[in-house]
Amino acid sequence: DQQVKQNSPSLSVQEGRISILNCDYTNSMFDYFLWYKKYPAEGPTFLISISSIKDKNEDGRFTVFLNKSAKHLSLHIVPSQPGDSAVYFCAAKSGSARQLTFGSGTQLTVLP
Amino acid sequence: NAGVTQTPKFRVLKTGQSMTLLCAQDMNHEYMYWYRQDPGMGLRLIHYSVGEGTTAKGEVPDGYNVSRLKKQNFLLGLESAAPSQTSVYFCASSTWRGAGGSYEQYFGPGTRLTVT
Repeated sequence: DQQVKQNSPSLSVQEGRISILNCDYTNSMFDYFLWYKKYPAEGPTFLISISSIKDKNEDGRFTVFLNKSAKHLSLHIVPSQPGDSAVYFCAAKSGSARQLTFGSGTQLTVLP
Repeated sequence: NAGVTQTPKFRVLKTGQSMTLLCAQDMNHEYMYWYRQDPGMGLRLIHYSVGEGTTAKGEVPDGYNVSRLKKQNFLLGLESAAPSQTSVYFCASSTWRGAGGSYEQYFGPGTRLTVT
């Protein structure tokens, strides 16, 4: 039973346009959400996070939106750059747990 | 400050052989984790540790053992490797900043293991 789902295995966008990566979750106890970025042959690196008390968090070109009623979060990248091409994982944590539950990832390809 | 390092980077084992993967972190983090990544499966937690001398099972612990004898090191052992354990293994560490605080896990570069 996947508690964190990324239903799109891949996404292609043109350079300069917006990339929108989506993530759905089923566990209503999740209260903290993160996005990680992963290049081939490297470990995942933290990108941006959001607490469940917020509905938006912005960091430069990256914005994460949280819709708690829909149990949905999304990552917006504007403008997209070729260097953003990577696998993006969303992850979630509940309460005082010191564990993350990861989605299966979305491969983003930004075309020049 | 190297962050999280993993040894080795690559390894090929025959079925039934054993090996130990080493993870080290220099950030004085209390928590350490071992994940495996398989195509289409994301990152699945194998075992984790909330402090020196303590370990706990994650989502997919079967066939693996772990030890955390020192705060900075977390070892993952395969006693009798099977082809199903062919995967990329990632170690991560984190710290706790209290309820409402930020929480990120920092990952190592991974170990690619092939079991033939």
